[in-house]
Amino acid sequence: EAQVTQNPRYLITVTGKKLTVTCSQNMNHEYMSWYRQDPGLGLRQIYYSMNVEVTDKGDVPEGYKVSRKEKRNFPLILESPSPNQTSLYFCASSLGGPYSNQPQHFGDGTRLSIL
Amino acid sequence: GQQLNQSPQSMFIQEGEDVSMNCTSSSIFNTWLWYKQEPGEGPVLLIALYKAGELTSNGRLTAQFGITRKDSFLNISASIPSDVGIYFCAARIQGAQKLVFGQGTRLTINP
Repeated sequence: EAQVTQNPRYLITVTGKKLTVTCSQNMNHEYMSWYRQDPGLGLRQIYYSMNVEVTDKGDVPEGYKVSRKEKRNFPLILESPSPNQTSLYFCASSLGGPYSNQPQHFGDGTRLSIL
Repeated sequence: GQQLNQSPQSMFIQEGEDVSMNCTSSSIFNTWLWYKQEPGEGPVLLIALYKAGELTSNGRLTAQFGITRKDSFLNISASIPSDVGIYFCAARIQGAQKLVFGQGTRLTINP
C-alpha cells in the first residue's frame, strides 16, 4: 500500500531536549516536505526536499533541521525544542521535480507538545 | 508572500443540504487543490485543478479554478454525515515547490 509514514504519532517532551520525527514514503517520490498545522493558520511549510541531498527552507524554518540522505526518508529534527513548536506536524511527498503538477500525499501527522 | 483567504471558517448544516466554500487571493496561481482532513489523519486530496476555468467533479464534489486564477470554489451536494471534517484549499504558482494553504473550513453536519 502506498503511504507516507510518520513516527512518533504523539510526543510530549520538555524544552531543550533534542527530538527527531521520522518520515518515510514507499512511492519512490522525489519531493518531500514538512508542514506544521496550527489553529486558524492552516498548514505552513517548514522545509522541503526536491531529491536526495537537496533541501530548502519553507515559510517557517526557524528552529528546525532536516536531512535527505535517502530518497524514502526525510526526518525533521528539533535540536532545542521550545514551547512555540508545540503543533501538529505533517510530512508529505509527491512524484516529480520542480515543474511537476503531481499532488502531495500526506502522512497521518505527529502531535508534538513541548513543555 | 502569497496568502489564501478561505471562507467560511466553519459551517453547521443539516444532512442533505448543499455546501459551498471558496478561496481567494490577490496572487495568481497555476494549480488549485482541495483537501479534506478528518480527525487524527492527514489531509487527503479531493480534487486537483490545473487550468483556469476548469470545472471538475468527484462524486458529489465539484470544484472550479477561477478564470482570473486568483480563486477557487468547492461545492458539496446533498451532504451526508461522512462529509464532516476540515476542508483546505491549496495553491501553487508555476515552478514553485511549495503549496500555500487556506485556513480551512470546518464542516459540521446535523443528522
